[in-house]
Amino acid sequence: GENVEQHPSTLSVQEGDSAVIKCTYSDSASNYFPWYKQELGKGPQLIIDIRSNVGEKKDQRIAVTLNKTAKHFSLHITETQPEDSAVYFCAAPILTGGGNKLTFGTGTQLKVEL
Amino acid sequence: NAGVTQTPKFQVLKTGQSMTLQCAQDMNHNSMYWYRQDPGMGLRLIYYSASEGTTDKGEVPNGYNVSRLNKREFSLRLESAAPSQTSVYFCASRAERFRTANTEAFFGQGTRLTVV
Repeated sequence: GENVEQHPSTLSVQEGDSAVIKCTYSDSASNYFPWYKQELGKGPQLIIDIRSNVGEKKDQRIAVTLNKTAKHFSLHITETQPEDSAVYFCAAPILTGGGNKLTFGTGTQLKVEL
Repeated sequence: NAGVTQTPKFQVLKTGQSMTLQCAQDMNHNSMYWYRQDPGMGLRLIYYSASEGTTDKGEVPNGYNVSRLNKREFSLRLESAAPSQTSVYFCASRAERFRTANTEAFFGQGTRLTVV
C-alpha cells in the first residue's frame, strides 16, 4: 500500500553539528511534504513544509529538500541546539476518492548532546 | 484560542470495557483525523473524516468506530477494549475542503490509554 518511510529511527549529534533525516514516499501524486516536531508529552507541531513545485525551502536553521524523481525528501537542521532534541516526523498526503489522508513516517528521535 | 481539544488526557480501562474519546476543534476545519502512536511505529491513521457527514478507514481501523457529530467534533469509540489498544491517541484537523489542497495539520495534546 501507499506509505512513507523514514530514516534513521534515532540520531545523536553534538551541539553545533548538523542533523539530516530522510524520507521516501510511494504515491507519485503526493504534492505536499511537511515535517513535524514532537516534544515530550505534546502533540506534533509543524516546523516546515514544502510543495512539489520547489526543490528546497529554508527557514533559519532548518531546511527541507525534495527530489520528486526519486520520491524522497529530507530535513536538514544546522547548528543544532539542545532544544532541537525531540521526535521528528515526515508526512505525505495519500489522495483517495474521498479525501486526503496525511500519512506519517515512523519518526526520528533526535538527541543533541552538549 | 483552543485549537484542537481532546478529552480525557489519561484513561485506564479493563479488557472488554468500552469508552469514547472526544475531540473538538474551533478552527472551522473540514478534515479531522484520529491517529495512534506506539513506540517505533510512528503515527498510524485509524480513521479520518474529509468533511462533516463522511468518514473513512485509515491504516488500522479494526476495533474502533468513529462519529463526525458535526463540523467541530469527531469522536473515537472502542466498543470492547483490548490490551493491544494501549497507546497514545491523537486527534488532528486540517482546513482542506478539496482533495488536492494541502494545509497544516493541527494536533491535540493526546490521550494516553492503558488497557489492562
